[in-house]
Amino acid sequence: GDSVTQMEGPVTLSEEAFLTINCTYTATGYPSLFWYVQYPGEGLQLLLKATKADDKGSNKGFEATYRKETTSFHLEKGSVQVSDSAVYFCALSLGASNTGKLIFGQGTTLQVKP
Amino acid sequence: NAGVTQTPKFRILKIGQSMTLQCTQDMNHNYMYWYRQDPGMGLKLIYYSVGAGITDKGEVPNGYNVSRSTTEDFPLRLELAAPSQTSVYFCASSYSPARTVNQETQYFGPGTRLLVL
Repeated sequence: GDSVTQMEGPVTLSEEAFLTINCTYTATGYPSLFWYVQYPGEGLQLLLKATKADDKGSNKGFEATYRKETTSFHLEKGSVQVSDSAVYFCALSLGASNTGKLIFGQGTTLQVKP
Repeated sequence: NAGVTQTPKFRILKIGQSMTLQCTQDMNHNYMYWYRQDPGMGLKLIYYSVGAGITDKGEVPNGYNVSRSTTEDFPLRLELAAPSQTSVYFCASSYSPARTVNQETQYFGPGTRLLVL
């Protein structure tokens, strides 16, 4: 079935380090791909998205490229800040569905230390 | 513009009790969703609605019921609470024109933390 797999956390980095959080997916059809972020005590909010192969989503210094050949959507940031500490979720929306249902990965906790 | 609001923020239930989790959105979104988030896990879809009067089951609907009498409100009902329903519940909404594939961004509420003892 359709699924999303993220790298295990927690990920602990020093401020200004480079971040990569891996995400791979299995899906029929042509899904849209999303990264959502959850700050402590809050709901999820969209970080970035890509709707077709080779699209690059970007926001707040984060980037992810939709790679159909490797079924991946890895999240990257060149220089993390303490304020980026949060849980990051990769998700897909099935292209063949008209309901917008999201399938989430298990989430990756990022902790950035000063 | 409040977005998606959920009440209560936190609740403790005894086994067998019932309760309704409230969700309201003021963005005139046609799609609404209920998810649950268990510790260390991603979100799983409980129920969803594509418009007023229309609801359907998601991945984990057992033990829950929903209704959608208005565009704004999408309450989630737990009839006989069980410890397995201890979780954080998130409501979300999105807008997509009718008869198109919905791949739009979902907007989430702050969540309701439920503890069943």
